[in-house]
This record gives sequence, C-alpha cells and structure tokens, in this order.
Amino acid sequence: ETGVTQTPRHLVMGMTNKKSLKCEQHLGHNAMYWYKQSAKKPLELMFVYSLEERVENNSVPSRFSPECPNSSHLFLHLHTLQPEDSALYLCASSQGYQENTGELFFGEGSRLTVL
Amino acid sequence: AQSVAQPEDQVNVAEGNPLTVKCTYSVSGNPYLFWYVQYPNRGLQFLLKYITGDNLVKGSYGFEAEFNKSQTSFHLKKPSALVSDSALYFCAVRDIAHTGRRALTFGSGTRLQVQP
Repeated sequence: ETGVTQTPRHLVMGMTNKKSLKCEQHLGHNAMYWYKQSAKKPLELMFVYSLEERVENNSVPSRFSPECPNSSHLFLHLHTLQPEDSALYLCASSQGYQENTGELFFGEGSRLTVL
Repeated sequence: AQSVAQPEDQVNVAEGNPLTVKCTYSVSGNPYLFWYVQYPNRGLQFLLKYITGDNLVKGSYGFEAEFNKSQTSFHLKKPSALVSDSALYFCAVRDIAHTGRRALTFGSGTRLQVQP
C-alpha cells in the first residue's frame, strides 16, 4: 500500500458540476498539502493543514474548498470550475509543519479535466 | 518572498555522460534546498536536500547537488546518466527566515531525457 493515496486518479467534469478529490496518508504524518501542477509552470501550493488546522492558503479561488476532517484525510471540494482549472492536483504529507525540514511525501495525483 | 528558477525546460544527455540540471533561488534569509523527481504518471519523490553543513550533498540513485551561496544556485548533478534517469526534476526552496511560510516553493521543472 502506498504511503499517500489519491482518488480518483482521473476526473472529467463540466463547469457546473460539484465533485471532490480525496487524499489519504498512511504514514502517521500530521501535516497535509494540496499542490496544483500545470504544464511548464511552477508547482503551485494551494493549501496546507497542520494538525487539522489550515495554516497556509495561497489566494486560491473560492471554487476550491479544502477540508481536513482528521490528520489522515484531506479533501478538495470542487464547484463551478473553469477550463483553466484543468491540471494535476497533488496531495502531500509531512511529519511536522513548523519544524519540518522539507521532506514531503506525494500521492500520484488526480488528473482533472474541466470541459 | 521565496522563489526558484529552473532555466531549462529540457536537458538532453547521452547515457554514460555526466548530467547537470540547473536551479537558482531567491530568499531573504538562509535557504533549505531540495530536489524532487517525478516519473511518468507518478507523484514527486524526494531526492536530496541541503539544510546546513557541507555544500555538496548526496542523495538517492547516485545524484548529488552543490549549494553555492554566492551564486544562489543548487545544481543537480550525476557523473554518469542512465536511461532510467529520464524524468521531470523539480528544485524547491524554503526560506528559514520567512516564519509565515513554511511550505516549499517549487520551480517549474526540468525534463531530463537520457538517450541510449
């Protein structure tokens, strides 16, 4: 079983749909992250949760709504998305946030296509 | 603000030759620096990091990177490339002085293509 699992791996949705991406980590970590990966652009940090509290929020549009019900699970709720939101969404986890020296463990990503 | 630049979209190298993937950074304080690799249809994997100490750090799969403070660079190197090294490589930085931002800032990635 991989350390960080993301579902679904692929998602196609219309601009009026509501869907959610799920991330689960089996590593006992207490910090979780959402990153957006678009071709030839820097990886964009979206949200960070530490001990289930949101600690970083990078000016992400409100059509993306994160949820962290416990330290093992992270969701990204999607509604009324735009075609430019099509990307690979990566979840990561780490042991510690304030004191973390930067080693993140990533899932394989959810490939989102917005029609 | 912290930022990372990877000036090359793609690097091509023949198998057995040395490879270099370039990275420069900008921070207001001292940096933590990282390299990650992404194989096709996979998430990113940690390769190596510089926190403090020796400027030359060694990582997984025979990779190493050299921290150069005066040039604000952290280039990734390997003495002899393998076809299996072909992947997307990301440089990342964390500014130790930036107490409000603890998460890593990544570059845009460099695609390494190793030809047989």
